[in-house]
Amino acid sequence: AQSVTQPDIHITVSEGASLELRCNYSYGATPYLFWYVQSPGQGLQLLLKYFSGDTLVQGIKGFEAEFKRSQSSFNLRKPSVHWSDAAEYFCAVRGYGQNFVFGPGTRLSVLP
Amino acid sequence: KAGVTQTPRYLIKTRGQQVTLSCSPISGHRSVSWYQQTPGQGLQFLFEYFSETQRNKGNFPGRFSGRQFSNSRSEMNVSTLELGDSALYLCASSSGQGATYEQYFGPGTRLTVT
Repeated sequence: AQSVTQPDIHITVSEGASLELRCNYSYGATPYLFWYVQSPGQGLQLLLKYFSGDTLVQGIKGFEAEFKRSQSSFNLRKPSVHWSDAAEYFCAVRGYGQNFVFGPGTRLSVLP
Repeated sequence: KAGVTQTPRYLIKTRGQQVTLSCSPISGHRSVSWYQQTPGQGLQFLFEYFSETQRNKGNFPGRFSGRQFSNSRSEMNVSTLELGDSALYLCASSSGQGATYEQYFGPGTRLTVT
């Protein structure tokens, strides 16, 4: 069965600092991987996705993620965080013919 | 192009009642999925509809049901509400069925069961 873990429940960074949110997945084959962001009172917005090919994927709002098969990881990064990035971030996995499985989420706080 | 809309946005029901939530997908999208989001369980998949047929179903009791109409609008129904059904219910639409199709989420319906 698919599963996703996000080890960090809550992360606080200063504005302008770099960010890395961790995501580990469990799936028998190469999965489809996603990162979503949810602002308070809002639905989820797709930041980026990985299906195949280049293991470093670029997304919206300056985010990128790297797929590492050997570590079953798909960590999200941003070189310089803005106050508007404060939100909850969800990593998700979906296998072929399978449903989406979301991680528990990481809440990001940004200090001015 | 208008996004996914969900109605109502907020709902308060009493235990034992039933509730129907509505989702209008992005124009042209034929797939609609429903999710339940709670602080304790996180985001959990409920079901997916494509062209009026249920394609996938999550691990929820039969009290949770849904349907999709010919215009791709979808409804989900929860009967005999329990306190634990209090949650944010999210709907997502996509242009096709399958993992490679991007899902666009609505703002959700916040259901409170008292």
